[in-house]
Amino acid sequence: DQQVKQNSPSLSVQEGRISILNCDYTNSMFDYFLWYKKYPAEGPTFLISISSIKDKNEDGRFTVFLNKSAKHLSLHIVPSQPGDSAVYFCAATPYNFGNEKLTFGTGTRLTIIP
Amino acid sequence: DGGITQSPKYLFRKEGQNVTLSCEQNLNHDAMYWYRQDPGQGLRLIYYSQIVNDFQKGDIAEGYSVSREKKESFPLTVTSAQKNPTAFYLCASSPGQGNQPQHFGDGTRLSIL
Repeated sequence: DQQVKQNSPSLSVQEGRISILNCDYTNSMFDYFLWYKKYPAEGPTFLISISSIKDKNEDGRFTVFLNKSAKHLSLHIVPSQPGDSAVYFCAATPYNFGNEKLTFGTGTRLTIIP
Repeated sequence: DGGITQSPKYLFRKEGQNVTLSCEQNLNHDAMYWYRQDPGQGLRLIYYSQIVNDFQKGDIAEGYSVSREKKESFPLTVTSAQKNPTAFYLCASSPGQGNQPQHFGDGTRLSIL
């Protein structure tokens, strides 16, 4: 049972344009969401997060939007740069003392075309 | 320079052998985690520990064992009972207090000879 779904395995975007990565979840107990970026043969790097009390969080070129009623979140990268080419994982957790159990999506491979 | 160190980066095991993957952190984090990544799949939680001398099973704990004798160390043993051990193993840590992101090491790739 995949509780966090990233339905697009891959995405190609022209350099300078906006990249939009999507994530859907089914567990209504999830209330903290994170995006990680991963290069081959390396560990994931934390990118940005959002709590369920917000619908938007912005950090530089990265913005995460949360639509609780649709159980959907998205990551916007603008403008896209070649170094953004990586696999992006969405993750979610219910509120706990610490985020012990992150549930990850299967990832979206983003390729930025120069 | 604070971080999480996993060793070795590549590991080969003969069938029927146990093997231990190392994970050390100097971030003074209370919580540590082990994940497994297979091609085309997300990360799946094997074991986690919120405090020294205590740990809990994750979603795919069968065939694995862990210990947490020191705050900075959380080794994972892949036993011969794990039927499909070939994977990329990732260790992570977090402060363990409130919603704070987990930070990951660079992983160990385990292959069966």
